Amino acid sequence: DTGVSQDPRHKITKRGQNVTFRCDPISEHNRLYWYRQTLGQGPEFLTYFQNEAQLEKSRLLSDRFSAERPKGSFSTLEIQRTEQGDSAMYLCASRSAGGNTEAFFGQGTRLTVV
Amino acid sequence: GQQVMQIPQYQHVQEGEDFTTYCNSSTTLSNIQWYKQRPGGHPVFLIQLVKSGEVKKQKRLTFQFGEAKKNSSLHITATQTTDVGTYFCAPAQYGNKLVFGAGTILRVKS
Repeated sequence: DTGVSQDPRHKITKRGQNVTFRCDPISEHNRLYWYRQTLGQGPEFLTYFQNEAQLEKSRLLSDRFSAERPKGSFSTLEIQRTEQGDSAMYLCASRSAGGNTEAFFGQGTRLTVV
Repeated sequence: GQQVMQIPQYQHVQEGEDFTTYCNSSTTLSNIQWYKQRPGGHPVFLIQLVKSGEVKKQKRLTFQFGEAKKNSSLHITATQTTDVGTYFCAPAQYGNKLVFGAGTILRVKS
């Protein structure tokens, strides 16, 4: 257990439905990251927060994806109008402030769009 | 953004053989991290390299950072079945974004 928790662990949804995932980072970590990973690939950067501010969002991310971190603690990632291509593992990571510190990953949420 | 190439994409070795994965960048890196992901698991931090020419060891694992800080390698001596997984490099950009290479998948035959 890394201290980063994600919920749910698995989600099966029908195409066109909206889904929301939650990430609870390690409490003292002010930086939070979302990644998407498909089989045989490395984690693909989606977005990044420092405290409650969303500082960067991948240009690969369509407008159907949105993320929030309202109080600088937990974060949510929402995918609207899901498509089959959205099926992947969604990973959350957090790390402490100051430089290039170690990132701690959650177990991920596996999304299957049918 | 920062782009790195990891080679090989995949390697299947006999238990006891050595293994090396390389991470190459077209630009100079401030530092680089390495992570391991076991099958079905999540990435776990292994090490960070900061200095030009730096070499760090963790038991059978040896990590190197090139003199020009454009490449890095991870070498495993005498692989064991517990080494199975995917090894990712994560080059640091100036700032906070953390991106990963495509990874090298290691399989070990016992």
